[in-house]
Amino acid sequence: EVQLVESGGGLVQPGGSLRLSCAASGFTFSPYTMFWVRQAPGRGLEFVSGISSNGRATYYADSVKGRFTISRDDSRNTFYLQMGSLRVEDMAVYYCARERGGYYFDFWGQGTLVTVSA
Amino acid sequence: EIVLTQSPATLSLSPGERATLSCRASQSASSSLAWYQQKPGQAPRLLIYGASNRATGIPARFSGSGSGTDFTLTISSLEPEDFAVYYCQQRSNWPGTFGQGTKVEIK
Repeated sequence: EVQLVESGGGLVQPGGSLRLSCAASGFTFSPYTMFWVRQAPGRGLEFVSGISSNGRATYYADSVKGRFTISRDDSRNTFYLQMGSLRVEDMAVYYCARERGGYYFDFWGQGTLVTVSA
Repeated sequence: EIVLTQSPATLSLSPGERATLSCRASQSASSSLAWYQQKPGQAPRLLIYGASNRATGIPARFSGSGSGTDFTLTISSLEPEDFAVYYCQQRSNWPGTFGQGTKVEIK
C-alpha cells in the first residue's frame, strides 16, 4: 500500500525555520518526482516546491524562492522541505504528493500544519 | 501561465441529482487535465487524469470530458459521500496550476 507520511509541522514565530519531512512507503521511491502542495485555511491548493527523480530539477513557487529548499534522500525514501524566513502567509497545511504522468498527483499524504504566529 | 477558472463556485444539489462542473483554461491545456476531490480535513484525492481517465478505485459515476480550453467533470448521480470540493489542475509548464475549486453542497 502506497503511503506518504508528513512530519515536522508546528508553531513557529515569523522569521523562524522548520523542516518538513515526507516518508514514502509501499512503492519504489527513487523514480518519482515528488511535490509539496499547501493549503492555507479556507483557501485552495497551491504548489510550493517539487523535486525530480534524480534531484537535478527543482521547482519553487515565486512566493517561496530563496526561502525554502527541497531535497530528497532516496536511501531513506524521504524528501524534505527546509523552510526559512517564515511569514504569516506561509501558514497552511502542507501536503506531500507523488507526481505521475508529468503533471497529476496520484497519492497524497495526510498533511502537516504549519502555524506562523508571534 | 495558464489560469484555470472553475464554475460555478458552489453547486447546491440533492442526492441522486446530476452534477456538472466546469473548468476553463485561459490557453489550451491539451488533455493534460486532472480532477481532485477534497473533503473537509482530508487530503485531495485524484479522480480523473488525462481529462477523461478515471483513477484507480474511482466509481463509474464520475466522468471527465473536454480538451483544449473547456473541461467538464460529471457526477451522474450524487451519493451522500460526493458532497465535497472539487479542483481541476492542468500542466502547461511544470507543475501547472490548480483551479480555485467548486463546492458541491447538499441542497
